[in-house]
Amino acid sequence: DTAVSQTPKYLVTQMGNDKSIKCEQNLGHDTMYWYKQDSKKFLKIMFSYNNKELIINETVPNRFSPKSPDKAHLNLHINSLELGDSAVYFCASSQDPGTQYFGPGTRLLVL
Amino acid sequence: SQQGEEDPQALSIQEGENATMNCSYKTSINNLQWYRQNSGRGLVHLILIRSNEREKHSGRLRVTLDTSKKSSSLLITASRAADTASYFCVPASGGSYIPTFGRGTSLIVHP
Repeated sequence: DTAVSQTPKYLVTQMGNDKSIKCEQNLGHDTMYWYKQDSKKFLKIMFSYNNKELIINETVPNRFSPKSPDKAHLNLHINSLELGDSAVYFCASSQDPGTQYFGPGTRLLVL
Repeated sequence: SQQGEEDPQALSIQEGENATMNCSYKTSINNLQWYRQNSGRGLVHLILIRSNEREKHSGRLRVTLDTSKKSSSLLITASRAADTASYFCVPASGGSYIPTFGRGTSLIVHP
């Protein structure tokens, strides 16, 4: 059973489009995160939700909007995609503060 | 929140050798975690060491923590080609904890 799953695994899209990435965890954790890993492999936190409430919102363009319909899901919607949004996006969950469990990543390529 | 700084940035060894990587941080912590990321995959939690612990083992992994020097080390004994990955340390302080990843140590184990 996959603990933290993300869909899609790959996403290739044109500049200006709007896209969503979904994340689900079946670990019963209260906290979920979104990270962005750029081409230099630097992993940077974007958002964190605890029990469906936003608790961390790092400096991220407001084109990125997280949505947590319940504590097992944290989706990421991106409006007006730009070339610089190309990266690998990782979802993670934890029983905060604690060990994080990461999803397999979504590779986003904006053309 | 603070970021751990891993050293060296890159390490290349032969299978069967031991690999040691170090982590330094700036302010006092509650615990410190080590993660591994194989190329193109999500991060995997390896080990958590609490501030009142000095050493911890898990299989071929040995982690030490020296809070007086604000440093930790990860030793992988009898390395295997499958250990080829990037390794990250994440220091965790109390209060509003924002998990922050550094650039990691890139380990290559040659068969």
